[in-house]
Order: sequence, then C-alpha cells, then structure tokens
Amino acid sequence: TQLLEQSPQFLSIQEGENLTVYCNSSSVFSSLQWYRQEPGEGPVLLVTVVTGGEVKKLKRLTFQFGDARKDSSLHITAAQPGDTGLYLCAGDGNDMRFGAGTRLTVKP
Amino acid sequence: NAGVTQTPKFQVLKTGQSMTLQCAQDMNHEYMSWYRQDPGMGLRLIHYSVGAGITDQGEVPNGYNVSRSTTEDFPLRLLSAAPSQTSVYFCASSYWRGQGANTGELFFGEGSRLTVL
Repeated sequence: TQLLEQSPQFLSIQEGENLTVYCNSSSVFSSLQWYRQEPGEGPVLLVTVVTGGEVKKLKRLTFQFGDARKDSSLHITAAQPGDTGLYLCAGDGNDMRFGAGTRLTVKP
Repeated sequence: NAGVTQTPKFQVLKTGQSMTLQCAQDMNHEYMSWYRQDPGMGLRLIHYSVGAGITDQGEVPNGYNVSRSTTEDFPLRLLSAAPSQTSVYFCASSYWRGQGANTGELFFGEGSRLTVL
C-alpha cells in the first residue's frame, strides 16, 4: 500500500487544456515535494510546500498544500507538450517517501 | 557539474549472482539514499544514510546491503540476485541539516537499469 496516493495514474490531454493532479495521504507531513521525471533521467524537484494551505506558483504550474498537510494538488494551466512527463509527489520526514506518480502526455 | 553519479547504467545478471551498484556525489551531502522504480509503484526507498558510518532501512530493504564509509560514496550490494530485483535503481542525495530536520531537496542520479534473468 502506497503511503501517498496519486491520481490519476495516467492523463492524456491536448495542448492548451488545463489539468489538475492530486496527491493524498492519511499521514501528516512536515513538508511535501513535487518532482518531474523525464524518460531515462532521475526526478528533478519542482517545488516544496511546507505550510498548511500554502499555494506556490511556478509559471503555469500552481501547487497547493492541504490545510491538514495530508494532501496536495498540482494544477497546470494551458498545458504544453514540454509539460509531458511523470509527476511525483513525495512526503518529507525522517526519510522521503514517494507516490506512484501521474504520467502526463500533452499532445500538440 | 557532476552531482550524483551512478554506475553502471545497465547490467544484466543471472539469478544468484551478486553485484554492487556504485553511487558517488560531489556536493558534500550528508544524506544519501537508494530507491527502486517499478512500473505503477513509483519510487520505493531501499536504504538510506545520514552520514558516514550510519545506515538505515527503508520500505524494501530485503536482499540489499549498503555501507557508508565516506561522505561521497554509498554503494548498494545485491548479495544473490533474484528476478524480482529487476528494476531501475536511483541513488539520491540531499543537504540534510541534522537530527529532526527534513530530508530536503533530493538530487538524483540518472539511474541504473538492472535485469535479472
């Protein structure tokens, strides 16, 4: 059983559409991170959220940390083919545990 | 700009063989870890270390050994490979601030793809 559940597992959309992916847990985390992974490479950090209710923006990407610090969402506005990849959330504590990821494909 | 370096990138083993996956980082990070990535399972933590001489188990430690003799190196040993250990293995490091602190941003290597026949 995954400590962090991500949904949807797969998402295929057209360029220009908006999307939201979710990361949920029954555990409380002191912080939560979002990573993006491209084929043949290791994950790369996008953002860290620390405070319950926190919202962070990274260009067209908006990240939100739930008030109870158990869940998070990633919203992408006007998706582009360059956004294609595997999006992973990770809960930070004594060690880092990852969700299974959402594999996003943005078609031109 | 080396960051985290993993070797080998690809390896094929027969069941029962042993091998070591190497990981080195040049960022003076105290925290290092090994993950395996399988389809639909995400990244699962195998072992981690918060400094030289200190190691601890993660979610899926069985069948793997680690040691940390220096800050830079964190090798992962498979003692007797099994087909269930076919996976992509990632080493990662972070600047860990000490007891009670979060792990922080993880810097990953490019991965080592292992196939056990």
